[in-house]
Amino acid sequence: DGGITQSPKYLFRKEGQNVTLSCEQNLNHDAMYWYRQDPGQGLRLIYYSQIVNDFQKGDIAEGYSVSREKKESFPLTVTSAQKNPTAFYLCASSAGTRPFHEEQYFGPGTRLTVT
Amino acid sequence: GQQLNQSPQSMFIQEGEDVSMNCTSSSIFNTWLWYKQEPGEGPVLLIALYKAGELTSNGRLTAQFGITRKDSFLNISASIPSDVGIYFCAGSYYGGSQGNLIFGKGTKLSVKP
Repeated sequence: DGGITQSPKYLFRKEGQNVTLSCEQNLNHDAMYWYRQDPGQGLRLIYYSQIVNDFQKGDIAEGYSVSREKKESFPLTVTSAQKNPTAFYLCASSAGTRPFHEEQYFGPGTRLTVT
Repeated sequence: GQQLNQSPQSMFIQEGEDVSMNCTSSSIFNTWLWYKQEPGEGPVLLIALYKAGELTSNGRLTAQFGITRKDSFLNISASIPSDVGIYFCAGSYYGGSQGNLIFGKGTKLSVKP
């Protein structure tokens, strides 16, 4: 089955530690995205990548970093510089080519709790 | 930045009732998408709209791309308990980064059996 996997589902970390969230897709999609979701809020874009070895900052990139060394993988690191890291993190991918390039498909999410 | 106004914020309905929700923007949008999210899960794409005036159905769901290109509507007919969740609209606007979506804050739907 094609899809997007995120691991782990729940993650707990101490304040001051960096943590890396995994995102893998086997949809052969070119573009991948990371979003943050807080209670009662819409999705806010952290980083996106439209092609391997290239990525762009989204609206709330401060305190986060990413890499895109392989087409299938787009890991997100939440650094200690992120002031309020506790949130639900969603990874998505899209074909990246018209006409359906804007249809984003989401993984199941990782809930990160930092104490 | 660009924002989508999604309404209503929440709805409490009886099973069997029809549901209507909408999203509006101040900018012209090229694409409107509707997603459903259940607790603790990622959003699932329900319907994608690409042309002004387009009306598309997916089972009991029907969505429309507003003729002004600044709004979209989602209707659910004959609601059932499994329709419970948060419905998000999303879209890409003219002049925005290719492939990037703006999301509404969601409509939380509760269905009473």
